[in-house]
Amino acid sequence: AQSVTQLDSHVSVSEGTPVLLRCNYSSSYSPSLFWYVQHPNKGLQLLLKYTSAATLVKGINGFEAEFKKSETSFHLTKPSAHMSDAAEYFCVVSDLSGGYQKVTFGIGTKLQVIP
Amino acid sequence: DTEVTQTPKHLVMGMTNKKSLKCEQHMGHRAMYWYKQKAKKPPELMFVYSYEKLSINESVPSRFSPECPNSSLLNLHLHALQPEDSALYLCASSRLAALRGTGELFFGEGSRLTVL
Repeated sequence: AQSVTQLDSHVSVSEGTPVLLRCNYSSSYSPSLFWYVQHPNKGLQLLLKYTSAATLVKGINGFEAEFKKSETSFHLTKPSAHMSDAAEYFCVVSDLSGGYQKVTFGIGTKLQVIP
Repeated sequence: DTEVTQTPKHLVMGMTNKKSLKCEQHMGHRAMYWYKQKAKKPPELMFVYSYEKLSINESVPSRFSPECPNSSLLNLHLHALQPEDSALYLCASSRLAALRGTGELFFGEGSRLTVL
């Protein structure tokens, strides 16, 4: 069975400072991992994905994430937070289960950016 | 065109009403999904269609009835809902229809449903 743990339900940073959103996963096989962002009353937008290629993945809006198999982690980072980054972030693991793609969401991390 | 379009954006209905949510994608994706999202929670999977056939039903009550008329359209028919069914309903699609891998999901903006 697969699972996703987002270690922080809420993260607050000052504008211009680095962002770190933590995610650990468990999966029986070789999963695909994603980070999605959701702004208030909006759908989910894909930030970046890992699908067994390069372990350091670059996404949109300056975000990147590093897949560390030994630590079963896929933390999301950004060097300098912008006010527009304030949103909910979901770490997602996807794997094949019973012949079908099974997608599991983390509980989400709310990012607050302080001016 | 990389969009998943959902209509209506907002819907208010009474417990005796019948209404439908609609979802459309023109990316040639062969898997489509309905998710339910309550406030401050992650999306919860309801249904998965793969090649226009219902592949997964996550034990959803029968007052929710999905339909996939063709590869581009996905409907969710609503009847006799309860106030606790009020939520954001998200449609998603993916290129790889299950069996072949684990592609990313493309989400619509959602339909905000309020049941009175």
